[in-house]
Amino acid sequence: DSGVTQTPKHLITATGQRVTLRCSPRSGDLSVYWYQQSLDQGLQFLIQYYNGEERAKGNILERFSAQQFPDLHSELNLSSLELGDSALYFCASSGGATDTQYFGPGTRLTVL
Amino acid sequence: AQSVTQPDIHITVSEGASLELRCNYSYGATPYLFWYVQSPGQGLQLLLKYFSGDTLVQGIKGFEAEFKRSQSSFNLRKPSVHWSDAAEYFCAVATTSGTYKYIFGTGTRLKVLA
Repeated sequence: DSGVTQTPKHLITATGQRVTLRCSPRSGDLSVYWYQQSLDQGLQFLIQYYNGEERAKGNILERFSAQQFPDLHSELNLSSLELGDSALYFCASSGGATDTQYFGPGTRLTVL
Repeated sequence: AQSVTQPDIHITVSEGASLELRCNYSYGATPYLFWYVQSPGQGLQLLLKYFSGDTLVQGIKGFEAEFKRSQSSFNLRKPSVHWSDAAEYFCAVATTSGTYKYIFGTGTRLKVLA
């Protein structure tokens, strides 16, 4: 158990819908990262937050957004969902902005 | 551009045999290097990491990895594989200049024969 929690574990929704994925980092960690894992793209870095501020952006679509709240939990919002958005979404956390990342169990999103 | 290559998509070994998973990276500066393992339906678990110092690093579950700067490699090894080691293994490089982010390899899926 890494100490990073993600909810929900599974999410099934329809095209065009919007969903919110939630991540709670390890106690004391200030940095949160979001990744997408799909069969064709592998593990892709989406975005990083550090202590409430956006720190780095990766291959995140404009339809996707994230935020980190004062209690340091983070949410990833995915809107106008497409079939191709079906994937595993992982959250990771680290103590500082450049420390080792510890991964949560992931949320499996299925878009029908 | 930075990249990580894991040349072997699938590897099959017999239980008790030794294992080496290859990882090569392309990065201009001194990298931070990691190996993660992912069991089916699970998240990624950190096996070991290299930041600096001794180029042979020990990790959990009996794994070790050796950083070879001249070969831009960070291969993962285990002297005797157990059936429970069957999983997917990911090598990652953390970029230490500019934006700090992880770049993952495409993974190596390990199958262990009884």
